Amino acid sequence: DAGITQSPRHKVTETGTPVTLRCHQTENHRYMYWYRQDPGHGLRLIHYSYGVKDTDKGEVSDGYSVSRSKTEDFLLTLESATSSQTSVYFCAISNSGGEDTQYFGPGTRLTVL
Amino acid sequence: KNQVEQSPQSLIILEGKNCTLQCNYTVSPFSNLRWYKQDTGRGPVSLTIMTFSENTKSNGRYTATLDADTKQSSLHITASQLSDSASYICVVSARGSARQLTFGSGTQLTVLP
Repeated sequence: DAGITQSPRHKVTETGTPVTLRCHQTENHRYMYWYRQDPGHGLRLIHYSYGVKDTDKGEVSDGYSVSRSKTEDFLLTLESATSSQTSVYFCAISNSGGEDTQYFGPGTRLTVL
Repeated sequence: KNQVEQSPQSLIILEGKNCTLQCNYTVSPFSNLRWYKQDTGRGPVSLTIMTFSENTKSNGRYTATLDADTKQSSLHITASQLSDSASYICVVSARGSARQLTFGSGTQLTVLP
């Protein structure tokens, strides 16, 4: 998985609780992404980062926030988890923007009860 | 709206047989097209990438084709193996910002002994 780790790998939480997912890379890539993957849908971009402290929204950003204080770490926070946020979350990295190959982490399976 | 449609949704073949997966897209302005392989419980891994000027790209037993005029791509798998069982995802990149990736929903391939 190209030097990308995600933690936790599995999490079960209750509606209304805050949740933070972590993505850590050892490749020194500039761009980092958070996606969610749901049955019947392709991977959908939540947020991405193009540098330390530089982030932007994707197509499904409502209810999510991100932070990137170091090149190697990209955090995804669900401020108040809802059942619709039950999904598998993937982190990805790339050297340059959308035209470059993205390398994906192993995923985090999140269940919101 | 940019879209990527893949067919079939699922496919079952016998080990040793060949198969072809299809991808149709409406993404503009087109930059490149990638095929990813996603094993169950893991993140997607890039197989091939093709730009506008390329119409064939091989990676071992995987051969991707691109017809930029009709906006169609195919992934041909030769002499299938049990380890080819996975979801195959077509991803089209539009020129521009890092958010401009459109993912297909994938074709779930099962190779039986």
